[in-house]
Amino acid sequence: GQNIDQPTEMTATEGAIVQINCTYQTSGFNGLFWYQQHAGEAPTFLSYNVLDGLEEKGRFSSFLSRSKGYSYLLLKELQMKDSASYLCAVMDSNYQLIWGAGTKLIIKP
Amino acid sequence: GAVVSQHPSRVICKSGTSVKIECRSLDFQATTMFWYRQFPKQSLMLMATSNEGSKATYEQGVEKDKFLINHASLTLSTLTVTSAHPEDSSFYICSARGARDTEAFFGQGTRLTVV
Repeated sequence: GQNIDQPTEMTATEGAIVQINCTYQTSGFNGLFWYQQHAGEAPTFLSYNVLDGLEEKGRFSSFLSRSKGYSYLLLKELQMKDSASYLCAVMDSNYQLIWGAGTKLIIKP
Repeated sequence: GAVVSQHPSRVICKSGTSVKIECRSLDFQATTMFWYRQFPKQSLMLMATSNEGSKATYEQGVEKDKFLINHASLTLSTLTVTSAHPEDSSFYICSARGARDTEAFFGQGTRLTVV
């Protein structure tokens, strides 16, 4: 079966760095997405990785290792507005998105 | 990024009535549209995938006669929740993807409350 695993909840301090991990087992792979979702709102796109390595975009970076079925989202210089759920999703061989359950990130002052 | 507009953002309806939710791609042609449902504190659950001009493909456990999906044009898809019941209360989100895109763009979501 297809499976995406990510931690349910994480807590971090304002100004710090946090890494949210995602492991996956899917039928085929056409890229991995990270989305941010604030409560009551639709997800917003953060990053897309299809090749191994690190993609940096401002305070957010995303890493992918296809051989390990592993990705992480790295958030630096955390701000209170970063409190949200972070969803990992993998596009399988049929170009369907398989979603993780999301990681709720709580930022404390 | 591309813009997807979903309407309405919130709707309250009486049990037994039907509700239609619209999803429009404003600046691109959406060959594929996805409809999701999200219950509180849970992840997105794909309900169905629709390709323009074709019948929607429903995920297992989703009643096609209850959740009617129409994707008649490259810029509009609709989800109609028929004979809604309180257990259908949820957050419904559409996303749209163009023919050459890997990224799908999300609508704003619709909060449905059935009373």
